[in-house]
Amino acid sequence: EVQLVQSGAEVKKPGESLKISCKGSGYSFASYWIGWVRQMPGKGLEWMGIIYPGDSDTRYSPSFQGQVTISADKSISTAYLQWSSLKASDTAMYYCARLSTGGWGDYWGQGTLVTVSS
Amino acid sequence: EIVMTQSPATLSVSPGERATLSCRASQSVSSNLAWYQQKPGQAPSLLIYAASTRATGIPARFSGSGSGTDFTLTISSLQSEDFAVYYCQQYNKWPLCTFGPGTKVDSK
Repeated sequence: EVQLVQSGAEVKKPGESLKISCKGSGYSFASYWIGWVRQMPGKGLEWMGIIYPGDSDTRYSPSFQGQVTISADKSISTAYLQWSSLKASDTAMYYCARLSTGGWGDYWGQGTLVTVSS
Repeated sequence: EIVMTQSPATLSVSPGERATLSCRASQSVSSNLAWYQQKPGQAPSLLIYAASTRATGIPARFSGSGSGTDFTLTISSLQSEDFAVYYCQQYNKWPLCTFGPGTKVDSK
């Protein structure tokens, strides 16, 4: 069974750093792109960027380029999303999704809620 | 960037009725369109890909149609578990995919 399990909720202060994770199982993790999606409170879905764990090829949506870093460690079937300096506007639910060969998200993680508040 | 729009923003439907949701792209995305369902407090889940192909386990009451810039998701006979927000997503410009703003289907 394909599963993506994300790390737990985080509460951080502005300016702090953070790295959240997404661990895949039940499939060849290195062979599928992983995407990250942001959902701000009460809002819709936003495509942040993707990574191919097999070779760490990473692509970012222009809105998120330079704002976050996406990485992966295929040896432990885990993808990451990190911030070097959080802002209050980073408060959101973050989802990872396995991307099919065509580009749609066929399996999703349960989400990680990130709250940034002073 | 391809901009996706969805209408209506909210659709009020009674159980057993037909629901028709629209999605439009600012330029052609061919058939590279997916639909997702998101229930409150849950992650999105895939319903339809390639504009009209149901994902594994999706009931036949869900159907997708369209190509180019105009797409439709139809729920033929709405069940109580179908009240949710529905998003379309284009992946024609992969890796620069974009979502629509969503249509909320609620109870009339």
